[in-house]
Amino acid sequence: AQSVTQLGSHVSVSEGALVLLRCNYSSSVPPYLFWYVQYPNQGLQLLLKYTSAATLVKGINGFEAEFKKSETSFHLTKPSAHMSDAAEYFCAVTSLQGAQKLVFGQGTRLTINP
Amino acid sequence: AAGVIQSPRHLIKEKRETATLKCYPIPRHDTVYWYQQGPGQDPQFLISFYEKMQSDKGSIPDRFSAQQFSDYHSELNMSSLELGDSALYFCASSPRRVKGYTFGSGTRLTVV
Repeated sequence: AQSVTQLGSHVSVSEGALVLLRCNYSSSVPPYLFWYVQYPNQGLQLLLKYTSAATLVKGINGFEAEFKKSETSFHLTKPSAHMSDAAEYFCAVTSLQGAQKLVFGQGTRLTINP
Repeated sequence: AAGVIQSPRHLIKEKRETATLKCYPIPRHDTVYWYQQGPGQDPQFLISFYEKMQSDKGSIPDRFSAQQFSDYHSELNMSSLELGDSALYFCASSPRRVKGYTFGSGTRLTVV
């Protein structure tokens, strides 16, 4: 079975500050990992994904994430927060084999303070 | 680029009524997934289809059923609706051999 834990249901940072959203996964098989962003009353938009290639993954809107197998982590970062980054962020995991479903974490609500 | 199309975008039903949600995947995507997202919750997997056959089943109530048709679109049928079924229902599609889930904008179901 696979699972994802997002540490911190709410994160608040100042505009221009570093954004760090934490995600730890559990998987008995090599994982594929994703970060999605959800704005209020909207769907899920893919930020980036790890698919067993480079461990440092760059996504849209200046976000990036690093896969660390030894720490079973896939934390999401952005060097400088922008007001438009305020949203809900979900980390998700699936496996390499077949048509496997995504398993989501509980989500982290990011608030940006002016 | 074509995206995953879900219809309707919004739906209001009364308790004990039925509802049908539709999902049109991206062309050449052969796998469809359905998720339910309650207020303030993370998306929960309901069911998936690969090549028109059910491939996995999650926390889908017995009152719900789904299928994938020959044109790969999928429908989620919900009967005897309850207040607790009020949620955002997402459909995602993916090619089987490439991990590239694309989500639709969702259907917001409100049961009153």
